[in-house]
Amino acid sequence: AQSVSQHNHHVILSEAASLELGCNYSYGGTVNLFWYVQYPGQHLQLLLKYFSGDPLVKGIKGFEAEFIKSKFSFNLRKPSVQWCDTAEYFCAVNAYGNKLVFGAGTILRVKS
Amino acid sequence: DTAVSQTPKYLVTQMGNDKSIKCEQNLGHDTMYWYKQDSKKFLKIMFSYNNKELIINETVPNRFSPKSPDKAHLNLHINSLELGDSAVYFCASSHRLGGSSYGYTFGSGTRLTVV
Repeated sequence: AQSVSQHNHHVILSEAASLELGCNYSYGGTVNLFWYVQYPGQHLQLLLKYFSGDPLVKGIKGFEAEFIKSKFSFNLRKPSVQWCDTAEYFCAVNAYGNKLVFGAGTILRVKS
Repeated sequence: DTAVSQTPKYLVTQMGNDKSIKCEQNLGHDTMYWYKQDSKKFLKIMFSYNNKELIINETVPNRFSPKSPDKAHLNLHINSLELGDSAVYFCASSHRLGGSSYGYTFGSGTRLTVV
């Protein structure tokens, strides 16, 4: 069965620090990959997605992610985090079929 | 205009009651979903409908019954509510093409609290 692993459940960073959140998936075929963000008390918002083409994907709010097929990974990065990036981040995979499979989420807290 | 709208936003009810959550999307998507986010924030799919036809039905108690009157609406009815049903329920929609889905958009969620 498909699974999505997010390596860190909690990450605490100071403002201006660089961020990298890990995501690995288990499906071997063609996949579509997503990162969603959920700010406290709010709904899921799409940060970025990968379907095909350039494996380095740029998203909103300065986030980017790199798809490395050989490693089954889709890590999320941001060069310099801000206090307002405090949120929970979910990696999700959609292989052949109609459902998104989510990782368990990573809670990011940015200290000001 | 809200793309995927759910009502109500909050729902507090007693054990044993029956309740419904409604979802509507105005994106022209042909596929809609219900996801459950538990207290540990883990998101899991419950159901998916494509053009009013049920295509995904994960292991969910029979007390949960989705209904899709048309492809823009997917409602969730829950019978005999239990404490463990307390969660945030997210509706989502997408466009299905070639067996995969694109353009997922989530609603703002319905926080259900069973007391």
